[in-house]
Amino acid sequence: SQTIHQWPATLVQPVGSPLSLECTVEGTSNPNLYWYRQAAGRGLQLLFYSVGIGQISSEVPQNLSASRPQDRQFILSSKKLLLSDSGFYLCAWSVKGARSGYTFGSGTRLTVV
Amino acid sequence: SQQGEEDPQALSIQEGENATMNCSYKTSINNLQWYRQNSGRGLVHLILIRSNEREKHSGRLRVTLDTSKKSSSLLITASRAADTASYFCATDAGGNTPLVFGKGTRLSVIA
Repeated sequence: SQTIHQWPATLVQPVGSPLSLECTVEGTSNPNLYWYRQAAGRGLQLLFYSVGIGQISSEVPQNLSASRPQDRQFILSSKKLLLSDSGFYLCAWSVKGARSGYTFGSGTRLTVV
Repeated sequence: SQQGEEDPQALSIQEGENATMNCSYKTSINNLQWYRQNSGRGLVHLILIRSNEREKHSGRLRVTLDTSKKSSSLLITASRAADTASYFCATDAGGNTPLVFGKGTRLSVIA
């Protein structure tokens, strides 16, 4: 069966520090991968999505970046965090082509202090 | 940008009552999906309704879609305290375009 792993669950980082959040998917191949951010009590904002290795589409210009070094690995990074980067980060995957739902990871609560 | 807009933003009902949440969107869609999120957790896919469908059922869930009004509703019948969560609609424009989520409805079911 397919599973998605996202870590860490919580993270407290100082302003200006780097960030690396990792997401991996098991049990499927060639998935579409997504990073969303959710501010407190708000909806989901799409940050990045990827349809294949090395293919990244950015939806929001900011100091975050994403990479897909392997088929089932999606990494969200920042060189220098800002206070405004605080939020709940969610990774998700979907089957390519088929119109089916997304499967989300359990999320990472990032607090920048 | 967010396409779906849920209404109401928050809903509080007694256990056993029905809960209805609405979603409006602006552009053409391929399908519309509903998700549930428990506090501090990831989203869970509930149901998908295609643009050529008008109604769909899954257990205690009933979803309707009116493409002429660009709106959808999610009905949860005989609600339980465990249904307390936030509910989001998401629209799919087709191709490989990502889902666009609304801001959600916070449902509280009081035992």
